[in-house]
Amino acid sequence: AQSVTQPDIHITVSEGASLELRCNYSYGATPYLFWYVQSPGQGLQLLLKYFSGDTLVQGIKGFEAEFKRSQSSFNLRKPSVHWSDAAEYFCAVGLNTGFQKLVFGTGTRLLVSP
Amino acid sequence: DTGVSQNPRHKITKRGQNVTFRCDPISEHNRLYWYRQTLGQGPEFLTYFQNEAQLEKSRLLSDRFSAERPKGSFSTLEIQRTEQGDSAMYLCASGSTGGVGPRWSDEQYFGPGTRLTVT
Repeated sequence: AQSVTQPDIHITVSEGASLELRCNYSYGATPYLFWYVQSPGQGLQLLLKYFSGDTLVQGIKGFEAEFKRSQSSFNLRKPSVHWSDAAEYFCAVGLNTGFQKLVFGTGTRLLVSP
Repeated sequence: DTGVSQNPRHKITKRGQNVTFRCDPISEHNRLYWYRQTLGQGPEFLTYFQNEAQLEKSRLLSDRFSAERPKGSFSTLEIQRTEQGDSAMYLCASGSTGGVGPRWSDEQYFGPGTRLTVT
C-alpha cells in the first residue's frame, strides 16, 4: 500500500541555521511528490512538487527538495530558517488514479528558536 | 478573498446530532476534495468531485457521511448521528483540470478547515 513516512515528529532549529526535514515514501509506480506547510489557523499551502525531470526542485519561501529514487526519499531543505517558518510540514505522494489523490505523512512540527 | 473558504470554522456538537459543513472553492475550479485530519496525523482523503459528480469516496466515508456538490459550485459535507470519533478537522481543497502537464497534476488549494468537536 502507498504510504509516506516522516520520521521526525518535532524538530527545533535555531533561527538562521539550515533545515532538513525527512520524507520517505512507498509507492510502486513513479511517484508524484509534494511538500505542504500548515500554520495555525491556515490551510495547507503547497511549497513545492516533483513530477519528473530535475530531481532537485525549488519551491516558494526559499525551500527546495531533492528526489532520490534509490532511497525512496524526498527531503525538504532550507539553507537559513526564519522564525516565520515555524509550522507543521507535510510530505505527500499523489496517486495516479486519474485525479490527484494525496496520501500524506504524519507531519513534522518545526520549532524555531531565537 | 479569492481562496477556498469553509464554514463554520468551528463546530461543537453533542453526540448523536447531525452537522453540515460548507466549502466554497475557488470559482473557476472544477475539482473539489474533502479530507479529514485528526490530531497528530496528516490529512486523509475522504471524497472527490469533478464538477457535480462525486467520482470517488474513501472507505473512511461511512454511511453516516454524505457529500454533495450541487451545480458544481459549493459543496456540503454532512455527518449524521455524530460520534466522538468524528472529532477532527475537515479540510476542503479545490483544483482545476486546466493547464499543461499530467491531467491529474493540478495543484490543490486548501481551505482553513472546519474543526468539529463532538462531546
